[in-house]
Order: sequence, then structure tokens, then C-alpha cells
Amino acid sequence: DAGVIQSPRHEVTEMGQEVTLRCKPISGHDYLFWYRQTMMRGLELLIYFNNNVPIDDSGMPEDRFSAKMPNASFSTLKIQPSEPRDSAVYFCASSLGPGGGTQYFGPGTRLLVL
Amino acid sequence: KNQVEQSPQSLIILEGKNCTLQCNYTVSPFSNLRWYKQDTGRGPVSLTIMTFSENTKSNGRYTATLDADTKQSSLHITASQLSDSASYICVVSLSGYSTLTFGKGTMLLVSP
Repeated sequence: DAGVIQSPRHEVTEMGQEVTLRCKPISGHDYLFWYRQTMMRGLELLIYFNNNVPIDDSGMPEDRFSAKMPNASFSTLKIQPSEPRDSAVYFCASSLGPGGGTQYFGPGTRLLVL
Repeated sequence: KNQVEQSPQSLIILEGKNCTLQCNYTVSPFSNLRWYKQDTGRGPVSLTIMTFSENTKSNGRYTATLDADTKQSSLHITASQLSDSASYICVVSLSGYSTLTFGKGTMLLVSP
């Protein structure tokens, strides 16, 4: 398996623009997680899905952030409008089974909002 | 509040030397504790997973220990290599939940 695939790997945009990050989880995995990583705060869970259904979105910072999982092999994280403080590395991870299972992380999307 | 604290924040050691990284947590109820390695520019990769009943687990030159009574874990790296230079993140899982509580990591630099 190719592992978790994320695109784009890098994104530079201007404040106010819409940003869409994409993730393809490992085939067969039933959990998908979106994380944000910054130097100041480390890794933070934004939202996670089980069988394509959002389970916990309490980590989503505000209404500007939204995530969807239309099918088992694809998820998006959208920021609209983007702000400079959204600059971070966004990781997608997937796992088979709940918290006891190993989460496999994608390579991340490095976002810079100017 | 569930927290995971790691020390030191950063560490520089000479190639071939051993080192130990520390993790203290307040997460309760506890399910399992993991150590992840994150190379620069990459996503974290799992090194070890330990449940409540395990107190040591090895993965090659990496050995993790767990004391569930004192809520402490350590990661010992033996005979360090340049490729060990990375951030090491301690992660604790709550029982019955899929969310994880992450430490901020220890940045390790192995110098030749």
C-alpha cells in the first residue's frame, strides 16, 4: 500500500482565499483523522471520522474550517477564508479500529497564508 | 485536564552514545502509550505501543518503559546513529476513545 496520501504537499495563499487540503487514507482503514502541527502548540486533533461519519469535531478552531469525507477513500479539509494564523502543517492519519490501533500519518501539507 | 509533558525539549548527543527521553502524563483513564518518531518534513511514525499492563517494549535500538503507577514513560535509544536525529513524540490514548493526547516532543540531534 502507498500509505496515506495528501495533496498538495505545499500551499501558499493570500489571506482571505479558500484553501482545500486532500487526503486518501490507507485502503481498509475505518478511521480518519485531521491534525494541525505548529511549533508553539505541537500536534492538535481537528476532527476525526469513523466509517465516513464525523465523530468529534471539537478541535476545529472555528467556522472557517470544515471537513468532509464523501467516501471511504477520500477526505477534504477546507479553510474559508484563510488567515495568516492558519499557517501550519496539516496532517491526515488513518487507522484500523479506534484508539488502540496505530495511526498512520501522511506526509502533511505545509500551508503558508500571507 | 489531560496533559502529556516531555523532557528535555531538545537534546544533542554524539553518534554512538545512548540517551533517554522522558514523558509524564496525567491522562486518565489510560488505554495505551505510544512513542512516535517524526523526521523533519515528514509525518510521525509509530515506534512502540504499550498498554497499561506492559512495562517495557523494544523496537531495535529503541526501548520504551512505562510505569503506570507514577504515570511516567521513557524512551531509551542505544548506540545512536545520525538517522536518529528527529523529534520524538509521546502520545497517550484515553480508554474508550479514538482521540490521542500528544506531547510537544523532544528534538534529538545526533552529531558526528
